[in-house]
Amino acid sequence: EDQVTQSPEALRLQEGESSSLNCSYTVSGLRGLFWYRQDPGKGPEFLFTLYSAGEEKEKERLKATLTKKESFLHITAPKPEDSATYLCAVQAGPGGSYIPTFGRGTSLIVHP
Amino acid sequence: DTAVSQTPKYLVTQMGNDKSIKCEQNLGHDTMYWYKQDSKKFLKIMFSYNNKELIINETVPNRFSPKSPDKAHLNLHINSLELGDSAVYFCASSQGMGETQYFGPGTRLLVL
Repeated sequence: EDQVTQSPEALRLQEGESSSLNCSYTVSGLRGLFWYRQDPGKGPEFLFTLYSAGEEKEKERLKATLTKKESFLHITAPKPEDSATYLCAVQAGPGGSYIPTFGRGTSLIVHP
Repeated sequence: DTAVSQTPKYLVTQMGNDKSIKCEQNLGHDTMYWYKQDSKKFLKIMFSYNNKELIINETVPNRFSPKSPDKAHLNLHINSLELGDSAVYFCASSQGMGETQYFGPGTRLLVL
């Protein structure tokens, strides 16, 4: 069974204080690892898709990286508007189940 | 232009009633999903359709019945609603199986 564990569950940062969120996973034949941002009362919003170990993607203050066992979401000099819950998900590919498995998320609060 | 839309946004009903939630996507995607997000914000896959064919049917009570009249629509009908069905239900779509998913705004269901 595919599993995704995110840590920490909650993170409080001061504006400008860089940090990283972790997503550890086990999956039979990774098709993709996905990062989403979810604001209160809204649906998850797509951030990044990573397909293979060593891959990195960046968008503004966010950078996602992938190894064979985990992914990190690095947040550089965060702003209060980065406050949200960040969700990680994996999907197995051909030969696997294609069932998307989500972690429980990291709730990030950035104080001004 | 809303990519993935759901109706209704809010649904308050009595135990034992039957209700439906509708989802439409205008992204031209082949795959659609239903998720349940509980009070602890955990996102769990319920169903997935690819080209109108049911491909994922996770351990969901048979009171829940999805229906895909065409590739752009996926509806969820729930019979004999129970208190434990109270949650936020999200629809999502992707280009194909295992691809990046795009989520709707959610339907907040409260069963009294």
